[in-house]
Amino acid sequence: DQQVKQNSPSLSVQEGRISILNCDYTNSMFDYFLWYKKYPAEGPTFLISISSIKDKNEDGRFTVFLNKSAKHLSLHIVPSQPGDSAVYFCAASDPASGTYKYIFGTGTRLKVLA
Amino acid sequence: NAGVMQNPRHLVRRRGQEARLRCSPMKGHSHVYWYRQLPEEGLKFMVYLQKENIIDESGMPKERFSAEFPKEGPSILRIQQVVRGDSAAYFCASSPAYRGRIEAFFGQGTRLTVV
Repeated sequence: DQQVKQNSPSLSVQEGRISILNCDYTNSMFDYFLWYKKYPAEGPTFLISISSIKDKNEDGRFTVFLNKSAKHLSLHIVPSQPGDSAVYFCAASDPASGTYKYIFGTGTRLKVLA
Repeated sequence: NAGVMQNPRHLVRRRGQEARLRCSPMKGHSHVYWYRQLPEEGLKFMVYLQKENIIDESGMPKERFSAEFPKEGPSILRIQQVVRGDSAAYFCASSPAYRGRIEAFFGQGTRLTVV
């Protein structure tokens, strides 16, 4: 039972254009969402997060949008750079768990073409 | 300002042997989490520990797997009598004791290969 879904396993974007990575979730109790970036043979690196009381959070080239009614969030990267090529994981946190137990999606591999 | 340190980075074990994976959290962090990533899958939560306490081990297989975070020293994830299906990347994360929502910082992982 996949509670956090990233339905696009891969995405290719031209350098300088916008990258949009999508994530859907099924549990309406999730109250905190995060995006992590992962390079091969390295651990995930935190990118940006958003609380369920907000619908947008921006940090430099990265913006996360949350649509609670649709149980959907997206990560926008503008402009995309070749160094952004990595696997991006969406994660959600359930307050009922009482811990920082994140539930991860399966990841989207972004390739930014120079 | 060392980050989360995991060792070894790569570990090869024969079926039936024991695997010990170590994790030193970031300085000042008292919460440790272990995740496992199987090939082509996302990270799956295994266990959450604080010093000398297992808080949540709901993601840990009931047999052969154990974890500890002693008062002194790193957190250890121990897998006894490894099988091929245990081959995966094991990531440790840490966070400070904090009541709000905060991101966890991950180590570089230990890649376990069972042959």
